[in-house]
Amino acid sequence: NAGVTQTPKFQVLKTGQSMTLQCAQDMNHEYMSWYRQDPGMGLRLIHYSVGAGITDQGEVPNGYNVSRSTTEDFPLRLLSAAPSQTSVYFCASSYIFRTGELFFGEGSRLTVL
Amino acid sequence: DQQVKQNSPSLSVQEGRISILNCDYTNSMFDYFLWYKKYPAEGPTFLISISSIKDKNEDGRFTVFLNKSAKHLSLHIVPSQPGDSAVYFCAASAQGGSEKLVFGKGTKLTVNP
Repeated sequence: NAGVTQTPKFQVLKTGQSMTLQCAQDMNHEYMSWYRQDPGMGLRLIHYSVGAGITDQGEVPNGYNVSRSTTEDFPLRLLSAAPSQTSVYFCASSYIFRTGELFFGEGSRLTVL
Repeated sequence: DQQVKQNSPSLSVQEGRISILNCDYTNSMFDYFLWYKKYPAEGPTFLISISSIKDKNEDGRFTVFLNKSAKHLSLHIVPSQPGDSAVYFCAASAQGGSEKLVFGKGTKLTVNP
């Protein structure tokens, strides 16, 4: 099983550029989410979804958009990248009633110049 | 305000000895606690969890203790092995649901041969 797959693994952007981080899971999980990890900051929730067509904001949503058109996919969009968005991004999924036991992707390292 | 605190950024122990990782929380509504383990260049993986109705949960070499009155939990690894060297994140959830998961900043454990 592939689990949670993130692409790309590495990306360099210039300030103001846009891009989409892709996330796909093959476990039929209802819940999907995006986190960012910064040095000394732990994991912070950006956006999450509890099912197709349903999304909500997490702790640090500004500058990011999401959509959930299928159960499998949960892309994260940066509309106008800023240096403050330089980070490692993790997508995670779980069964909706399985509290907190998230399955994470391998991460996408984004650098904004 | 940080709701989940891991005050030790790093910990170094000898192989075969006990590793104790600590975590404090401030939100009395938290009722489910988890530990995740993260190797470099990989996503976090779920390690062990505990519900607030228990004070101890064991899984092989890993034991999590919960002291609700002190709002403190700890992860014990006995015996420690070099392969346990990783960053450990404490996480907490209030009233269930992955969307409410709050992470600490992590503790880097190094187990020396």
